[in-house]
Amino acid sequence: GQQLNQSPQSMFIQEGEDVSMNCTSSSIFNTWLWYKQDPGEGPVLLIALYKAGELTSNGRLTAQFGITRKDSFLNISASIPSDVGIYFCAGLAKGTYKYIFGTGTRLKVLA
Amino acid sequence: GAVVSQHPSRVICKSGTSVKIECRSLDFQATTMFWYRQFPKQSLMLMATSNEGSKATYEQGVEKDKFLINHASLTLSTLTVTSAHPEDSSFYICSASRDAGTDTQYFGPGTRLTVL
Repeated sequence: GQQLNQSPQSMFIQEGEDVSMNCTSSSIFNTWLWYKQDPGEGPVLLIALYKAGELTSNGRLTAQFGITRKDSFLNISASIPSDVGIYFCAGLAKGTYKYIFGTGTRLKVLA
Repeated sequence: GAVVSQHPSRVICKSGTSVKIECRSLDFQATTMFWYRQFPKQSLMLMATSNEGSKATYEQGVEKDKFLINHASLTLSTLTVTSAHPEDSSFYICSASRDAGTDTQYFGPGTRLTVL
């Protein structure tokens, strides 16, 4: 099925560093969601975005709904070891009910 | 709020047997539930969408007779893997939504199925 392009695919960072990842699509979306998945667990919702240009924070996490409606960004500030995991974006187009998921960004934090 | 549970969390079965996985929305009513399959190091692959009281809608390539889905109530959906084979071994995750098309999806913790 269709998937969104997420970048980067994986990244190693030092503890304390900031992290940025993005998700891009060729289609316009009305809703963007960001999830984190730990090994052997289901995805956990981090942030939901509903308006173009919207900037929403959840603790050290900040996500933005791109102005073009075709992309979204997730930033993690001052990373800690428990930020390790896979981050997925998901987009919902107008008139549909199925979210399209990104390919995932695998984050590894070096203490 | 918005807690989704799955049972069992892990199951090992013999080839040829059937396995039922339950997905429950614990603190909200889910008009729509989704079933995903995830292979190692890959993203989630939607298998089917189920709406309470109606037949499930399956994605292309997913055998409806092999993966039976029942959404009997607003808080429970079940996925039955019939005549399981080793290639059905995977991580199965459900999600629930109050209102598909407008609401976010809340995921269950997943079920690890191993078919011997």
